[in-house]
Amino acid sequence: SQTIHQWPATLVQPVGSPLSLECTVEGTSNPNLYWYRQAAGRGLQLLFYSVGIGQISSEVPQNLSASRPQDRQFILSSKKLLLSDSGFYLCACSTLGEQFFGPGTRLTVL
Amino acid sequence: QQQVKQSPQSLIVQKGGISIINCAYENTAFDYFPWYQQFPGKGPALLIAIRPDVSEKKEGRFTISFNKSAKQFSLHIMDSQPGDSATYFCAATGGFKTIFGAGTRLFVKA
Repeated sequence: SQTIHQWPATLVQPVGSPLSLECTVEGTSNPNLYWYRQAAGRGLQLLFYSVGIGQISSEVPQNLSASRPQDRQFILSSKKLLLSDSGFYLCACSTLGEQFFGPGTRLTVL
Repeated sequence: QQQVKQSPQSLIVQKGGISIINCAYENTAFDYFPWYQQFPGKGPALLIAIRPDVSEKKEGRFTISFNKSAKQFSLHIMDSQPGDSATYFCAATGGFKTIFGAGTRLFVKA
């Protein structure tokens, strides 16, 4: 079965600073990969998904971007963070319809 | 048409009671309906899932009931325990995307 790694686990960044969150997947090949954001006490907002290397689909226009440089690596980035970028960021992978989530990164922008 | 509506928003149940969470969808192209359980600070974990050719699926104390004609499905947790206290998300998958409900915060009183 697949294992999803995310780092860092927590991050505190000032407004205007850059961001790079990394997600790697083990135990599967050619997965669909996803980035979600979850505000405190809220549901899951799909940010990006990828069906292959270099293929990125954006769901919500915003301050963030994503890249997939390798089959099992998914990166979420920002050039300049906003206060509204604070939240719990979750990476997920799916095969055969089932989505599995990583442990998440708690981002606080001050 | 992409929405999944989940209710109630929060739920308090006595230990040993039955917890019931309901979801409704609109898009008939969805072909996979999972439920996720999320504890604070953790990523959601797949709990149980059903495909629309089945009306019910049971795994231990957890049962999904699925009504294809009404486009509704529900999660029943029998003999609810304090350890079941968590946030539960229903979801619907079609193609590459999974649409999540807003979540239900369940608290089981000892």
